[in-house]
Amino acid sequence: DVVMTQSPLSLTVTLGQSASISCRSSQRLVYSDGNTYLNWFQQRPGQSPRRLIYKASKRDSGVPDRFSGSGSGTDFTLKISRVEAEDVGVYYCMQGTHWLALTFGGGTKVEIK
Amino acid sequence: QVQLQESGPGLVKPSQTLSLTCSVSGGSISSGSYYWNWIRQPAGKGLEWIGRIYSSYGTTNYNPSLKSRVTISADTTKNQFSLKLTSVTAADTAVYFCAREAPGFYDSSGLDHWGQGTLITVSS
Repeated sequence: DVVMTQSPLSLTVTLGQSASISCRSSQRLVYSDGNTYLNWFQQRPGQSPRRLIYKASKRDSGVPDRFSGSGSGTDFTLKISRVEAEDVGVYYCMQGTHWLALTFGGGTKVEIK
Repeated sequence: QVQLQESGPGLVKPSQTLSLTCSVSGGSISSGSYYWNWIRQPAGKGLEWIGRIYSSYGTTNYNPSLKSRVTISADTTKNQFSLKLTSVTAADTAVYFCAREAPGFYDSSGLDHWGQGTLITVSS
């Protein structure tokens, strides 16, 4: 299985500041078609996960442009610019490149200072 | 807009079989080449993929760590898909989610729609 490792485990951010979450995979996530199947999800307290980013850097419809995904190969980043109170929750990366078994990162908890 | 809703017993006894159903509305599970997934989350912990079904052909893929105990099936006439997990223990206590997966040839590939989740507790 592909192991997804996120860091940090938790993050406390001041309102209006930026936050970055790292996700590293144990294998490269570029598929034979040239795409990188890396998703980012937000899970607010008591809610189901909501996808924010697909194909490493494409934002889902309705997701604020404060959220951006970047990276390639085995190293990926989710950046939240100008953090707002509604951004509190746990963020997960997930790979779909090695599609026989989807795997998630362990999650990063974002709190507001 | 596709919507998914999990349903299940809430409480399952150890060693028994956990059975869950995901009802899909706003789209057919047998059209569009989508995959239909189960994911679980123990309280306070991360997400674990259980497996998926491609209902048009009935093909399945499972998490290797659960494969010996998991069966995912689909009932296209009811627009539902189901999960069976045998020989459950307390370690299987979790919120279980169903989710739609758009495969790679879709621009927005990945787990794009999720149900609200249902809590399953394994206890005698």
